[in-house]
Amino acid sequence: NAGVTQTPKFQVLKTGQSMTLQCAQDMNHEYMSWYRQDPGMGLRLIHYSVGAGITDQGEVPNGYNVSRSTTEDFPLRLLSAAPSQTSVYFCASRRKTGPQETQYFGPGTRLLVL
Amino acid sequence: AQSVTQPDIHITVSEGASLELRCNYSYGATPYLFWYVQSPGQGLQLLLKYFSGDTLVQGIKGFEAEFKRSQSSFNLRKPSVHWSDAAEYFCAVGASGNTPLVFGKGTRLSVIA
Repeated sequence: NAGVTQTPKFQVLKTGQSMTLQCAQDMNHEYMSWYRQDPGMGLRLIHYSVGAGITDQGEVPNGYNVSRSTTEDFPLRLLSAAPSQTSVYFCASRRKTGPQETQYFGPGTRLLVL
Repeated sequence: AQSVTQPDIHITVSEGASLELRCNYSYGATPYLFWYVQSPGQGLQLLLKYFSGDTLVQGIKGFEAEFKRSQSSFNLRKPSVHWSDAAEYFCAVGASGNTPLVFGKGTRLSVIA
């Protein structure tokens, strides 16, 4: 199993550009989520999904869109990038059996918005 | 809603010394508690978790943690630190159902010779 994969690893954007961060998992996990990590702030939840066709907002959803058309993929879209979105983004997945399930993280995408 | 506090932003220990990283949580019912480690430039890896049973939990890499309900704490310990343990450590709490994990802000561990 590849686990949770994220592409790209690094990205530089100009203010106002749009892009999609890709996330895929091959563990048949129903539950997927996106976090951003900023210095001194820990991990903050952006959006999450408990299954195909179902998404919900996390703590910091503004400026981001998600969709979940398949179990495997959970892309994160930045509609109009802003410098405040410079961050490291992590995708994670787990079985939705319950909160005791281990959450697996991808390697992250480093995004710089100029 | 649940929350997590990691009081120490940065800790420095000598190689071979013991380690304790503090974690306090806030949640009305029995929490689901996790410790993750993040090496520089890497994703997060699960060290250990607690959701029921024995309150002393053993994890990977020689780490253990103890759940203390009376103190709302889940402190991470290691008896002898190795230089390779230098990393950032995150405590997280989960609630029932599909409520997302809530993470603390992390504690950065430095190890000196």
